[in-house]
Amino acid sequence: SQQGEEDPQALSIQEGENATMNCSYKTSINNLQWYRQNSGRGLVHLILIRSNEREKHSGRLRVTLDTSKKSSSLLITASRAADTASYFCATALNYGGATNKLIFGTGTLLAVQP
Amino acid sequence: DGGITQSPKYLFRKEGQNVTLSCEQNLNHDAMYWYRQDPGQGLRLIYYSQIVNDFQKGDIAEGYSVSREKKESFPLTVTSAQKNPTAFYLCASSMPGQAYEQYFGPGTRLTVT
Repeated sequence: SQQGEEDPQALSIQEGENATMNCSYKTSINNLQWYRQNSGRGLVHLILIRSNEREKHSGRLRVTLDTSKKSSSLLITASRAADTASYFCATALNYGGATNKLIFGTGTLLAVQP
Repeated sequence: DGGITQSPKYLFRKEGQNVTLSCEQNLNHDAMYWYRQDPGQGLRLIYYSQIVNDFQKGDIAEGYSVSREKKESFPLTVTSAQKNPTAFYLCASSMPGQAYEQYFGPGTRLTVT
């Protein structure tokens, strides 16, 4: 079964508003990553947060990580129509291995209305 | 430009035929991955390779095969044994180890009728 589950499954907002997506996972992680996918395209890496970090920023993106609750959130501020996409969280498990195996969540479909 | 390419973008096959999807990268990454994505779903790992001439099964390897003869290339064969092959297939690469992001190709949409 998939490790991560995003919430909500779909989100529709107006341009200029903030969008918040949440991700929950089940087991201990090395890091958590957020990716974006435009319809019918490949995924683009947005941000990586390590298990010993609590918050990270990149431009209009803010990611938080709460390892005690096994959850993360992605905040997109001042959204634009071009932010319309699916957003996935992916967890790298903390099992001490050398392999960069990621487990992806089910995704949040964000629609930003102009 | 450095990147990862997949070809073709769209592929149509008759049931019972094997088909090979191409994935090439010039990022000098050691690790490469194949994922399957079904409509409205996340990605599921089919196979991955950490180094040339080595690969491991992912979560849904049945009905698929791979090879890794060159660092730059990681082709995926969808065999006739795969019961439901119609899907969007994504290839990715990364530096080895747990700390790195993955770089994705544009995907191949396979339709089997």
